This record gives sequence, C-alpha cells and structure tokens, in this order.
Amino acid sequence: GNSVTQMEGPVTLSEEAFLTINCTYTATGYPSLFWYVQYPGEGLQLLLKATKADDKGSNKGFEATYRKETTSFHLEKGSVQVSDSAVYFCALSLISNFGNEKLTFGTGTRLTIIP
Amino acid sequence: DAGVIQSPRHEVTEMGQEVTLRCKPISGHNSLFWYRQTMMRGLELLIYFNNNVPIDDSGMPEDRFSAKMPNASFSTLKIQPSEPRDSAVYFCASSLRTRPNTGELFFGEGSRLTVL
Repeated sequence: GNSVTQMEGPVTLSEEAFLTINCTYTATGYPSLFWYVQYPGEGLQLLLKATKADDKGSNKGFEATYRKETTSFHLEKGSVQVSDSAVYFCALSLISNFGNEKLTFGTGTRLTIIP
Repeated sequence: DAGVIQSPRHEVTEMGQEVTLRCKPISGHNSLFWYRQTMMRGLELLIYFNNNVPIDDSGMPEDRFSAKMPNASFSTLKIQPSEPRDSAVYFCASSLRTRPNTGELFFGEGSRLTVL
C-alpha cells in the first residue's frame, strides 16, 4: 500500500541552525507530495507541495525537492527561527480505490527551536 | 473568509455517553474529511465525503462511529457509545476538488475529546 515514513522526533535546534527533516514514501503510482505544518493548538496547514519529479516546493524559507529515484521529499531550511517550532507532516496524494484523491500522512516530526 | 469551523473545541464525557462533533466546511468546498489524531497512531483518515456523499469510510474504526453530511455546509461525526480509547483530537478538513492531486486540505482547529 501507500505509506510515508518521516524522521522521528523530537528535533531540537538552536535558532539560525540548518534544518533537515527526512521523508521517504512508498506508492503504487505517481503521487503528489506535500509538507503540512501544525502549530500548537491549531489544525494542519499546507506548507509546500510538489506534483512531479524534480519539482521543488518552497514557502517561508522552507524547501523540498521531489526525488523519484530515491522516493524522497526531504524538508530543508537554511536558518530556522523560534517561530518555526511546530509539528511537520509529510504526505502523499494518490487517487484511491474509490476513484477519489486520498492523502496519506506520515507520523509527524516535532521541531523545537531554542533561542 | 471564515475557515473550517469545528465545535466543540473541547469535550469531556463519561464512557458510554453519546458524543457529537460538528463541522462547517469552507463555503464552496465540495470535499470534506474527518481525521483523528493520537500520539500512538498519528493522523488517521476516518471518512471523507464528496459532494455530500460518503466516498470512503474504510477508516471508521467500528460501528460505534458514524458520520453524516446532510448538506454542503454541515457535517457531524457521532460516537455512540463512547469509550476511553476514543480520546483523541478529531479534525475536520475541506477542499475544493477541481482537478486531481491538488492535495490542499484546509483544516479546522480540532475537537479534543476526552472520554473518562
């Protein structure tokens, strides 16, 4: 079946450090890939996405590149801020057996940035 | 614009009681999703609707759970009878499906359920 595996947390970094959160996927088909972010007490919100191989999604200084050869979509940011503290979810989207689009999420990685 | 609105934000109830969670999707969206989030299992899709019709309910854990969408602006998730293992945060999300693989869901702030 389809699945997403992401780096286990929690991850703690100092402000201005470089961030990488690894994400790999297994899919029967050609999925679209996403990173969602969940700030404390809130629902998830889309951070960035990529719909085909070699596409790079970017937003708020975060980037991720769709790597079909390694089935990966690692999240990176060059200099993190305290406000980036949140839980990050990698996800893939495919057409389900019911003929509709279905998102599959990873387990989430909690990121804490200390001043 | 208002986002996805869920109520109640917090619910504490006793085992055996009926629980009803409510969701108002973003106006104009035609797909609605119910997710459950726990520390142990992460984020699980329970059911989703397309144009008010349930499409995939394979994630609904058992017959105690039911979901309805009587119109485009309202959905409910009901648990009867509730059990302590149902304690979780329940999220409703909506999206506008105009083409495949857009993937952007808009989430509500969640309903935190505690069953004692």
